[in-house]
Amino acid sequence: EVQLVQSGAEVKKPGESLRISCKGSGYTFTRHWIGWVRQMPGKGLEWMGIMYPGDSETRYSPSFQGQVTISADKSITTAYLQWNSLKASDTAIYYCVRRQESAHDFEFWGQGTLVTVSS
Amino acid sequence: SYELTQPPSVSVSPGQTARIACSGDAFPKQYAHWYQQRPGQAPVLVIYKDSERPSGIPERFSGSSSGTTVTLTISGVQAEDEADYYCQSADNSGTSYVFGTGTRVTVL
Repeated sequence: EVQLVQSGAEVKKPGESLRISCKGSGYTFTRHWIGWVRQMPGKGLEWMGIMYPGDSETRYSPSFQGQVTISADKSITTAYLQWNSLKASDTAIYYCVRRQESAHDFEFWGQGTLVTVSS
Repeated sequence: SYELTQPPSVSVSPGQTARIACSGDAFPKQYAHWYQQRPGQAPVLVIYKDSERPSGIPERFSGSSSGTTVTLTISGVQAEDEADYYCQSADNSGTSYVFGTGTRVTVL
């Protein structure tokens, strides 16, 4: 059974750094693109970026390029989303997703990680 | 940037049919996929590749495509179908992805 299990909720202050995680299991981690989706409070879904753990190729939405970093550790089948300096506007739920290879849909979703940035 | 446009809301009585349209310039070159998000839950894929249904998704969910518009149809709507629905696709290059603006389905 494919599972994406994300790290727990975080409360941070503006300017702080943060890395949240997403552990994949039940499939070959290096053979499927894994990405991140943002949902701000009361708003819709926004695609942030995606990575192929097999060769670390990474693509970002223009809206998030330079704002976050997506990475992965193949040895522990875990993907990461990182911020160097958080802003209040980063407050949101972040979902990791696994892309289906034949159709480019996001067939599997993590449970979501709530990030709250407040002074 | 590439955008997918959906109506903000659709209201339907139980047992009736709900149709949600999604417009985008990359259709039909790129596939459309649909997600259901109930309050407080992660989204769930309900339709992929325009009209394919993942295992476990009820047959009342179907998808279709015509020109630059794709449509999610929920036949015989049930109270449990009350949720937000999002279309998703790729841009013309196929290397960047986008979600639609989202449609809230209310079961009267």
